[in-house]
Amino acid sequence: AQSVAQPEDQVNVAEGNPLTVKCTYSVSGNPYLFWYVQYPNRGLQFLLKYITGDNLVKGSYGFEAEFNKSQTSFHLKKPSALVSDSALYFCAVRDRGRDDKIIFGKGTRLHILP
Amino acid sequence: DAGITQSPRYKITETGRQVTLMCHQTWSHSYMFWYRQDLGHGLRLIYYSAAADITDKGEVPDGYVVSRSKTENFPLTLESATRSQTSVYFCASSESAGRRGADTQYFGPGTRLTVL
Repeated sequence: AQSVAQPEDQVNVAEGNPLTVKCTYSVSGNPYLFWYVQYPNRGLQFLLKYITGDNLVKGSYGFEAEFNKSQTSFHLKKPSALVSDSALYFCAVRDRGRDDKIIFGKGTRLHILP
Repeated sequence: DAGITQSPRYKITETGRQVTLMCHQTWSHSYMFWYRQDLGHGLRLIYYSAAADITDKGEVPDGYVVSRSKTENFPLTLESATRSQTSVYFCASSESAGRRGADTQYFGPGTRLTVL
């Protein structure tokens, strides 16, 4: 069965510093991988996804993520954090070709300190 | 362009009552999903639907019923609400989720349900 883990409940980063939000996954086949962001009292918003091809995926708001098959990871990154990036971030995975369901991680709360 | 809407946004009910949460999307997306969001559990899939009249169970379907008579609507019913069903419920839709692609899910604003 597919699963996804976000090992950090919370990440604190100073404004202007680079940020990383970690995600690891487990699937029996090849994965589709996603990052979503949730602002307070809102639904989730899509940030980026990996389907195939280049391991570095660029998404909205300056975010990017790197697919690493050997480490089964898909960490979210941004070179310079903004206070407005403070939100709850979810990693998600779907097992390509096997199932219609996407499984979400438990979420990582990102705090950008001014 | 309304996108995907949920109603009500907030609901308080009592144990044992039946509650229906509504979800409506204007994109004619094939797939629709219901999730619940709880602290410590993140987002968990309750039910999903690949098309009208096709539904399937997710991770936590017990105590919930869904139907999809029209493509644009996907109501979620709690037949006899319990306190453990207090949660924030999100509906989502996507154009497809099959083998040809991995389409983005678009989420509604959520319904905060409290069961007393």
